[in-house]
Amino acid sequence: AQSVTQLGSHVSVSEGALVLLRCNYSSSVPPYLFWYVQYPNQGLQLLLKYTSAATLVKGINGFEAEFKKSETSFHLTKPSAHMSDAAEYFCAVTANAGKSTFGDGTTLTVKP
Amino acid sequence: DAGVIQSPRHEVTEMGQEVTLRCKPISGHNSLFWYRQTMMRGLELLIYFNNNVPIDDSGMPEDRFSAKMPNASFSTLKIQPSEPRDSAVYFCASSGETSIEQYFGPGTRLTVT
Repeated sequence: AQSVTQLGSHVSVSEGALVLLRCNYSSSVPPYLFWYVQYPNQGLQLLLKYTSAATLVKGINGFEAEFKKSETSFHLTKPSAHMSDAAEYFCAVTANAGKSTFGDGTTLTVKP
Repeated sequence: DAGVIQSPRHEVTEMGQEVTLRCKPISGHNSLFWYRQTMMRGLELLIYFNNNVPIDDSGMPEDRFSAKMPNASFSTLKIQPSEPRDSAVYFCASSGETSIEQYFGPGTRLTVT
């Protein structure tokens, strides 16, 4: 069984501030973990993925995430928010080949 | 690479009509997923195929929904008869054996009046 919990359905930050989006997972086997971003009227796009290599994963657009097994977390961060980062972000876990479980999503708002 | 292709992008139909959504996965990918996204329920997995075979259809809401994958490059999701509560954005995604992440299409926005 696998599940994902995203803490906070809405996060608001000022432009230039740190972005922190939280994700906790549950998996009975070592998981693969993903962050996807969805811009309005578009499909989801992969930001980054963890596949049991380095625990700190760097993705596109300056985002990164750290896999912490002891905390069953995979939080997404970006040091300095940009207006273009405003979107919905989804955390996902895949423990069994193929099928991913997605979180409920976090909407990020960036204030000027 | 053209990415995952979905058609139509928008569909407006009347209650009771049949609706067919189409998807072309990325060439070489062997898994295909159909999702539904609504404000109320978020992103829901409806069904997924591996090597053209349906593996898990537990998310298909009722018998009005059916999906097929006749070959590696084409899949359909059919709703018959459609109801207003089926209004949503339907996404198709694909993944391959060497790329476990999923690649999403642009979605089909379905409105049933």
